Amino acid sequence: KAGVTQTPRYLIKTRGQQVTLSCSPISGHRSVSWYQQTPGQGLQFLFEYFSETQRNKGNFPGRFSGRQFSNSRSEMNVSTLELGDSALYLCASSISSGQETQYFGPGTRLLVL
Amino acid sequence: AQSVTQPDIHITVSEGASLELRCNYSYGATPYLFWYVQSPGQGLQLLLKYFSGDTLVQGIKGFEAEFKRSQSSFNLRKPSVHWSDAAEYFCAVGEHNAGNMLTFGGGTRLMVKP
Repeated sequence: KAGVTQTPRYLIKTRGQQVTLSCSPISGHRSVSWYQQTPGQGLQFLFEYFSETQRNKGNFPGRFSGRQFSNSRSEMNVSTLELGDSALYLCASSISSGQETQYFGPGTRLLVL
Repeated sequence: AQSVTQPDIHITVSEGASLELRCNYSYGATPYLFWYVQSPGQGLQLLLKYFSGDTLVQGIKGFEAEFKRSQSSFNLRKPSVHWSDAAEYFCAVGEHNAGNMLTFGGGTRLMVKP
């Protein structure tokens, strides 16, 4: 089975722009979670989508949003980028929602200049 | 709200030596507990998890962890470290009725001396 894939792997944007990151879960997995990883704040939960519905949301501003499609693929969007949004964004998929084993993708590294 | 503390930011051990990485959590009920490993430039890989039952949990790559409720700890151990174990290790806590949301500790970077 193919693992979790994330595209793009690397991205450079400038302040004020917006960005969309994509995550394709493992086949058959219906839950997708997103995390932000930075040297200062560590790994922080952004949100989880399950069957196209947002299941949980972390403590991030409304500039961070996401969605999930009927094929379980998920996208996250960050609008009006700030320098502090530079991070590794990790996506994880699992069969369902409820502390199932999560499988992480390699991440998208975003640099905001 | 739950929190996770990994007191050691960096640990260096010699190859072949034993390893223990500490993790303490704060959570009202019995949490779901996880250990993940991250190699440079990679995502996270699950080493082991504890949901209930036997408090000593076996994982992949020869790792084990012990849940101690009285100490709110879930320390990761390995009897003999290999050079390929050099990586960053994260302890995480999941809540009941919170989907797959995890709260992670700050991580411990493990270096292995030859």
